[in-house]
Amino acid sequence: GAGVSQSPSNKVTEKGKDVELRCDPISGHTALYWYRQSLGQGLEFLIYFQGNSAPDKSGLPSDRFSAERTGGSVSTLTIQRTQQEDSAVYLCASSLDFLSGNTIYFGEGSWLTVV
Amino acid sequence: AQSVAQPEDQVNVAEGNPLTVKCTYSVSGNPYLFWYVQYPNRGLQFLLKYITGDNLVKGSYGFEAEFNKSQTSFHLKKPSALVSDSALYFCAVSPPGSARQLTFGSGTQLTVLP
Repeated sequence: GAGVSQSPSNKVTEKGKDVELRCDPISGHTALYWYRQSLGQGLEFLIYFQGNSAPDKSGLPSDRFSAERTGGSVSTLTIQRTQQEDSAVYLCASSLDFLSGNTIYFGEGSWLTVV
Repeated sequence: AQSVAQPEDQVNVAEGNPLTVKCTYSVSGNPYLFWYVQYPNRGLQFLLKYITGDNLVKGSYGFEAEFNKSQTSFHLKKPSALVSDSALYFCAVSPPGSARQLTFGSGTQLTVLP
């Protein structure tokens, strides 16, 4: 597609439920990133995928968070047993590859509200 | 580890006046520097980047930024602000190598007053 596509755009869930957020990167981009932006906060790195390499999960805040990337393209971020502090915008991004000069392009985000 | 500072949480400017959004950085080696803009309830949009070459970088929507190595700064500028420029602006830096190490500043809310 023309840009990074994320779904759902908005999700309201009850505390304790699991949620899945989907990201479809720009075609041909091998690097994919997930960030979290909480209200009034900056961007928090969560996880990074590069091609077939093992993902960098160093930013995941707890073991309730996991992500996978199938076929080197679409990625799913899963939050188990959601808590109210998980309420945030989850931003997916992609770049041509992992080299730092390449521009990282962001999707519109998935706005998660845990009630 | 690298870091980015955006010293102003909020910048107000009158429409038609020049605007500056400040950014300073700390990184080992030559930095790669980026500016992104976030409009309300939207994702981040890429504005411009400095990799190498001319210190003055021109980007989208009439924005430009000047890389100053001695002052470790990368301030975003625009000669004449528009009300539609009102948004949240993020500066980001990464060292040469992996984009995984891209670090964002805390953001500056720009408000252009009519």
